[in-house]
Amino acid sequence: DGGITQSPKYLFRKEGQNVTLSCEQNLNHDAMYWYRQDPGQGLRLIYYSQIVNDFQKGDIAEGYSVSREKKESFPLTVTSAQKNPTAFYLCASMEGRGRFTEAFFGQGTRLTVV
Amino acid sequence: AQKITQTQPGMFVQEKEAVTLDCTYDTSDQSYGLFWYKQPSSGEMIFLIYQGSYDEQNATEGRYSLNFQKARKSANLVISASQLGDSAMYFCAMRGTSYGKLTFGQGTILTVHP
Repeated sequence: DGGITQSPKYLFRKEGQNVTLSCEQNLNHDAMYWYRQDPGQGLRLIYYSQIVNDFQKGDIAEGYSVSREKKESFPLTVTSAQKNPTAFYLCASMEGRGRFTEAFFGQGTRLTVV
Repeated sequence: AQKITQTQPGMFVQEKEAVTLDCTYDTSDQSYGLFWYKQPSSGEMIFLIYQGSYDEQNATEGRYSLNFQKARKSANLVISASQLGDSAMYFCAMRGTSYGKLTFGQGTILTVHP
């Protein structure tokens, strides 16, 4: 079945550590997105990518980094520069720019700083 | 720039009644897509309905309809015959053609009372 997979579901990070969240899709979608969601809040865009080897900063990119070396994969690294990383992270994919089918989401990763 | 505004943090509705969730948007794109998603307490994102900026008819999907008023830049979601299972957070989103950025509003928490 086609879909988008995020791992791990739960992640614990110590202060000062970098952690990487995985996002893989087998939908052959060109566009991929990372969002952060704080409790009771909306989705804030961290980074997005329309094609391989290219990505753009979203609204809250500071303290995060991404790569897009393969069409299927869009990992997000939460660096030690992100001062308040505890949140729910969602990855999404869509068909390419100019196409308006819906975005498909992963099940999310809950990151907690301990 | 691209922005989505949902002005209702919370809404209450009686079971079997209809409810309207408000969404206004701002974009410089001439062509764009508008989406509504449902997020239950589990955190998953469920696609509900889509409206294209050039669509003349309002979109309808089962009990969901989108009241699209282009001149007012509004895309309100109407849920008819509310059910207890409709209790969730609802997000309005937009994707423009220029950069493919997918932007979400702050969300509205809907509570359906028996």
